[in-house]
Amino acid sequence: AQSVTQLGSHVSVSEGALVLLRCNYSSSVPPYLFWYVQYPNQGLQLLLKYTTGATLVKGINGFEAEFKKSETSFHLTKPSAHMSDAAEYFCAVREYGNKLVFGAGTILRVKS
Amino acid sequence: NAGVMQNPRHLVRRRGQEARLRCSPMKGHSHVYWYRQLPEEGLKFMVYLQKENIIDESGMPKERFSAEFPKEGPSILRIQQVVRGDSAAYFCASSPPIETGGNTIYFGEGSWLTVV
Repeated sequence: AQSVTQLGSHVSVSEGALVLLRCNYSSSVPPYLFWYVQYPNQGLQLLLKYTTGATLVKGINGFEAEFKKSETSFHLTKPSAHMSDAAEYFCAVREYGNKLVFGAGTILRVKS
Repeated sequence: NAGVMQNPRHLVRRRGQEARLRCSPMKGHSHVYWYRQLPEEGLKFMVYLQKENIIDESGMPKERFSAEFPKEGPSILRIQQVVRGDSAAYFCASSPPIETGGNTIYFGEGSWLTVV
């Protein structure tokens, strides 16, 4: 069965600094990978996804992620953090059908 | 183009009562998923439905929980005889048919259930 590990339940960065949120997965089939963002008391918004093709995926709000098969990783990055990026971020891998397996989430705090 | 619509957004039930959560998928989406998010945890898959069919209910608790997606109307997640441990956020998601290339799941805003 697929699984997702997000390293670091809390990450704190200064405004303008690099954001790096780590995600490792296990999958017995070529994975489809997703990053979602959740603001307090709201639903999940898709940031970006990897299905096939280019391994560097660009998403909304300046985020991007790189699929590295050899490392079974799909880390999320943003060159310069903004206060509005403070939220919880979830990495997910697709199982059969469109069933998603989520990581435990990483809360991003942005300091001014 | 309305997204996935869930209601109610917030629901308070006393122990032993029933909770009904509704979900209308995005237009054109025939697949519905329910996930549960317990405090301090990530989302856990509960059930996957297509119109009038339960495709995968491997994440549903064996008792008190049921889900349906009728031919007409929204999908409903029903929790009977609620207990405090059922307090959580319940998220519905939808996707287009996989055979038409749908590989992205879109989530609703969630329904927060509080059992008192």
